Amino acid sequence: KQEVTQIPAALSVPEGENLVLNCSFTDSAIYNLQWFRQDPGKGLTSLLLIQSSQREQTSGRLNASLDKSSGRSTLYIAASQPGDSATYLCAVRPVGETSGSRLTFGEGTQLTVNP
Amino acid sequence: DGGITQSPKYLFRKEGQNVTLSCEQNLNHDAMYWYRQDPGQGLRLIYYSQIVNDFQKGDIAEGYSVSREKKESFPLTVTSAQKNPTAFYLCASSRLAGGRRSYNEQFFGPGTRLTVL
Repeated sequence: KQEVTQIPAALSVPEGENLVLNCSFTDSAIYNLQWFRQDPGKGLTSLLLIQSSQREQTSGRLNASLDKSSGRSTLYIAASQPGDSATYLCAVRPVGETSGSRLTFGEGTQLTVNP
Repeated sequence: DGGITQSPKYLFRKEGQNVTLSCEQNLNHDAMYWYRQDPGQGLRLIYYSQIVNDFQKGDIAEGYSVSREKKESFPLTVTSAQKNPTAFYLCASSRLAGGRRSYNEQFFGPGTRLTVL
């Protein structure tokens, strides 16, 4: 059974710092990995999706990498801002899910960027 | 604007009562999903649907029911059989998954917070 782990559970950094969030998964047989952002009491906002054949994806100050063989992904946030404060979740779509696109989620990293 | 809407934002349920959460999307997506989110836990899949009039159980379907009569709508009913329904419920949609090359990014609605009184 696929399991997704995110470390650390919480992170607090000063504004302007570059930071890395980690995601690991137990079964490397995946179609893709998706990073989301969730603000308190809100839904999830998709940040980046990396297909299994890709190594990384970039969007603005965000860069996500994928090492499928080792079961790891990182989300790099450059020049962090207080507005980046949120919970970040990663999710994988396991191979073999012939029905639908069901995702397996990690528990998230709660990020606080202090002014 | 294209997107996913959920209503109501907050919902209160009395013991023994059934309640229905609404989810509508205008993204022309074939697949729709319901997740439950509890504090300190990741999202867990309740039900999903790939096509109108068809749906499958997820990991925690007991005490829930769904219908998919229209492509754009996927309501979730929380029945009295669900013993611990207090949670945040999230609806999502994606293009139909058709194998490894399918671009199946999931998009989420704003959520409904259900509280049992």
